[in-house]
Amino acid sequence: EVQLVESGGGLVQPGGSLRLSCAASGFTFSDYWMSWVRQAPGKGLEWVANLKEDGSEIYYVDSVKGRFTISRDNAKKSVYLQMNSLRAEDTAVYYCARGVYHFDNWGQGTLVTVSS
Amino acid sequence: DIVMTQSPDSLTVSLGERATINCKSSQSVLYSSNNKNYLAWYQQKPGQPPKLLIYWASTRESGVPDRFSGSGSGTDFTLTISSLQAEDVAVYYCHQFYNTPRTFGGGTKVEIK
Repeated sequence: EVQLVESGGGLVQPGGSLRLSCAASGFTFSDYWMSWVRQAPGKGLEWVANLKEDGSEIYYVDSVKGRFTISRDNAKKSVYLQMNSLRAEDTAVYYCARGVYHFDNWGQGTLVTVSS
Repeated sequence: DIVMTQSPDSLTVSLGERATINCKSSQSVLYSSNNKNYLAWYQQKPGQPPKLLIYWASTRESGVPDRFSGSGSGTDFTLTISSLQAEDVAVYYCHQFYNTPRTFGGGTKVEIK
């Protein structure tokens, strides 16, 4: 069974940093692109970033470029999202999702709250 | 960026009746080289992550009931629930993966009348 488990969310002050992790199991992690998708409270879905199986291609939505960094460790079957210079508008549930095209598996999400 | 526009924002349908959700992209998501529409549909129930229902505009994900179907091509797409069940109450999103950034529609909330 495919499982994606996010961790690392929490309350952080504006300008602060947070690192999210997503641990994968039940599939050959190194065979898949991975993405982060976020959802602000009561709002819709927003794709944040993705990276190729070997990490050689990485893409971001404009609103996080220069502040967020996606990475992966295939040996640990994990994908990460380093978030710096956080803003109130980054407050959301962050999901990791599998796939380069459609996302066929999602984690349960981790809540990031940016507030003073 | 490709803008995905869903309609209606919300939909109230009687049990057993048909529900139809529309999604329009600001540019075509049909890849001419393989004749595939780079569009998916997801269902999200309260407190849960999204669940993939349909991809390539009309291919049903494994395990998804056949009352869910997707149609359309180019810029106009439809998700149809042929006979609404109580467990179908959710928000539905379309999603284009034709290019980056990936973008989603604003969602359509489906409720029971």
